[in-house]
Amino acid sequence: EPEVTQTPSHQVTQMGQEVILRCVPISNHLYFYWYRQILGQKVEFLVSFYNNEISEKSEIFDDQFSVERPDGSNFTLKIRSTKLEDSAMYFCASSPDYLTVYTFGSGTRLTVV
Amino acid sequence: GEDVEQSLFLSVREGDSSVINCTYTDSSSTYLYWYKQEPGAGLQLLTYIFSNMDMKQDQRLTVLLNKKDKHLSLRIADTQTGDSAIYFCAERGYNQGGKLIFGQGTELSVKP
Repeated sequence: EPEVTQTPSHQVTQMGQEVILRCVPISNHLYFYWYRQILGQKVEFLVSFYNNEISEKSEIFDDQFSVERPDGSNFTLKIRSTKLEDSAMYFCASSPDYLTVYTFGSGTRLTVV
Repeated sequence: GEDVEQSLFLSVREGDSSVINCTYTDSSSTYLYWYKQEPGAGLQLLTYIFSNMDMKQDQRLTVLLNKKDKHLSLRIADTQTGDSAIYFCAERGYNQGGKLIFGQGTELSVKP
């Protein structure tokens, strides 16, 4: 069964550093998403991406965050200057269309120290 | 904004049925989902129901939807210790651009 692949599975970074979280969505999917889950809390929507542009973003997704689909297969989330409160599990997801159930990756655990 | 609520904990004995409940506020919900998360792992889609359905059964799982009360439940028959996990309810509204709104998760503990 096709999978959404996320790398790395765990990343530790120092406060103030830039991090890039990588995702390879399912190959024929057109809609891409990032979510995050702070330990013990809800899974929260960050951003959706379609047709090479952001289609929706949440209040969490401020100027420190950006997304990119650089080469037609990868979908990346960049955090420019990490803060302690960015420590969370980040999930990528993809979907073939606007309404179909989508598939989540296994997540990247980001720890900011 | 739209919200999804779940109770935080449920404890059952192995072999019993588990019922996990969820309420939501978005009246334009199109799909409602149940995800399972084991410790340190990702989100595994268990089942989902379209908003014009009342019930969906899939092996040991039964989803009931009361659209009038905006109440969703997941019943797991013959619960096993391997079912111990956190279960998230999520809804997708017609006007939400495809994003999911998650509940805070119900931790299911299955005792032998």
